[in-house]
Amino acid sequence: DAGITQSPRHKVTETGTPVTLRCHQTENHRYMYWYRQDPGHGLRLIHYSYGVKDTDKGEVSDGYSVSRSKTEDFLLTLESATSSQTSVYFCAISESRGSPLHFGNGTRLTVT
Amino acid sequence: GENVEQHPSTLSVQEGDSAVIKCTYSDSASNYFPWYKQELGKRPQLIIDIRSNVGEKKDQRIAVTLNKTAKHFSLHITETQPEDSAVYFCAASILTGGGNKLTFGTGTQLKVEL
Repeated sequence: DAGITQSPRHKVTETGTPVTLRCHQTENHRYMYWYRQDPGHGLRLIHYSYGVKDTDKGEVSDGYSVSRSKTEDFLLTLESATSSQTSVYFCAISESRGSPLHFGNGTRLTVT
Repeated sequence: GENVEQHPSTLSVQEGDSAVIKCTYSDSASNYFPWYKQELGKRPQLIIDIRSNVGEKKDQRIAVTLNKTAKHFSLHITETQPEDSAVYFCAASILTGGGNKLTFGTGTQLKVEL
């Protein structure tokens, strides 16, 4: 397995609360990504990072923010969780711009 | 932006038969096409990928073909086995300095029956 750790693995939270998911890598890869997976939609890109403090929006970024203060950590924050953000969140890393993505084990988030 | 369509959504084959999954993409600038396998409750795992300067790539029982003119690519699994049962996702991206931002299809549930 690629050295990617997502935490927590499972979380239940209430509507309106902030939530932060963490992705930690030990591979020293430059690129990191956050995807969400929902039935019927496949995986959709939320945000990505191409270096420390360098981030950009993906396809479904509304309601999410990210931060990358160190190469190894990429944080995803739901500023005020909504039920539509109930999903499985996957972090991925890639070594260079032409490298494949390798995924973490995911975080299952339930917003009640 | 890029749009990737994947068919069929479900596929059932007998063990030993071949399985074919097809994807189309919309952005002619896309130049990287991976396939991922995801078992129930697990993470997606890369099984094979192809770049736009190659028309076909094989890895044992798995092959991928790419038709740039028609903007479609396919996954072929021969001699299917029960452990091939999983959800398969195709994806496409334009490799840039901003990274490898994949757009995924909606997945194909493959069931290999004994």
